[in-house]
Amino acid sequence: QVQLVQSGSELKKPGASVKVSCKASGYTFTNYAMNWVRQAPGQGFEWMGWINTNNKNPTYAQGFTGRFVFSLDTSVSTAYLQIPSLKPEDTAVYYCAVVVAATFYWGQGTLVTVSS
Amino acid sequence: DIQMTQSPSSLSASVGDRVTITCRASQGISNYLAWFQQKPGKAPKSLIYAASSLQSGVPSKFSGSGSGTDFTLTISSLQPEDFATYYCQQYSGHPFTFGPGTKVDIK
Repeated sequence: QVQLVQSGSELKKPGASVKVSCKASGYTFTNYAMNWVRQAPGQGFEWMGWINTNNKNPTYAQGFTGRFVFSLDTSVSTAYLQIPSLKPEDTAVYYCAVVVAATFYWGQGTLVTVSS
Repeated sequence: DIQMTQSPSSLSASVGDRVTITCRASQGISNYLAWFQQKPGKAPKSLIYAASSLQSGVPSKFSGSGSGTDFTLTISSLQPEDFATYYCQQYSGHPFTFGPGTKVDIK
């Protein structure tokens, strides 16, 4: 069955960077795009963008260009979200998600807290 | 971008009640519509995909219907574990967009 397992919670200071991982299993990793979704505290969901797992080309949604970086290691079926120069407003839960056979699968989420 | 709206934004209901939540897309999305449930501090739990297909392991009290722009999620008999926030989400094309959520709480 499709599973997305994300790395654990992170506590970072402003200006630091973070790299969240999302390990996929149960399907052919390179056949389906990987999406990233953000949920700020007490807020709804924002789709951050997606990365083509075939050619590794990322697409960023409005509001997520410039500081967010999607990457892949296809040898271990893992997607990454990197956020350099963290700001307090980056505090949120970050989810990876994939659509396989018309079904939307979520990772369990990674809480990133940015605080001095 | 496709805008998703939900109604109501919140509702109070009793155990055993039948509950219906509506989701509307700003343009046609065929059946590329998912519903999920979220409880405080937890990851979203997928309930319905392709507008009306029940995710594996989800009880049959949950059902979805609709196509195009108008969709509904129905809970046939509300149980204590169903008090949560419910979201719809379209995945017809990028950018994927989400409804603002419907909070279901105890009357």
